[in-house]
Amino acid sequence: AQSVTQLGSHVSVSEGALVLLRCNYSSSVPPYLFWYVQYPNQGLQLLLKYTSAATLVKGINGFEAEFKKSETSFHLTKPSAHMSDAAEYFCAVKTSYDKVIFGPGTSLSVIP
Amino acid sequence: DARVTQTPRHKVTEMGQEVTMRCQPILGHNTVFWYRQTMMQGLELLAYFRNRAPLDDSGMPKDRFSAEMPDATLATLKIQPSEPRDSAVYFCASGLGQGQEGGYTFGSGTRLTVV
Repeated sequence: AQSVTQLGSHVSVSEGALVLLRCNYSSSVPPYLFWYVQYPNQGLQLLLKYTSAATLVKGINGFEAEFKKSETSFHLTKPSAHMSDAAEYFCAVKTSYDKVIFGPGTSLSVIP
Repeated sequence: DARVTQTPRHKVTEMGQEVTMRCQPILGHNTVFWYRQTMMQGLELLAYFRNRAPLDDSGMPKDRFSAEMPDATLATLKIQPSEPRDSAVYFCASGLGQGQEGGYTFGSGTRLTVV
């Protein structure tokens, strides 16, 4: 069965510093992987998606993620954190039946 | 921009009352999901539909929850009777299924409080 783990329920970075949010997946078939962001009191917004076309995926707001099959990872990065990046981030995997399974989420805080 | 519309945005109800949450998926999307979000459990998949047919509702307490799609423009999630432990934010999401690699679009959610 497909599943997703996110290391670190809470990450704090200084404004301007590198953002790294970790995601590892378990899948018996080539996965479709996603990162979503949730701002307070809002729904989830798609940041980026991996669909096997390219291992380095660029998304909105300067985020990108790299698919590493050997490590079963899909970590999210951003070179320089902005205050507006403070939010909850969810990694997700789509199963062969189109069911989307979410990880537990990582709360990102950005310190001025 | 196309969006998924959920109503109501907020609902406060007394224990034992029936609650109905509605979702209007994006026109043309054939897959609809219902998720529940709580601090303790995170995002839980309750049920999902493709072309209005239920594909999986194993995440839903069957004795009190029911999910339907009366037509392609409306999905409903009902709780009867409601209990305080049902307090959560309920999200609807829609997208294109059947192997399409796109992500799904979420609504803004219904915040349910059962007192």
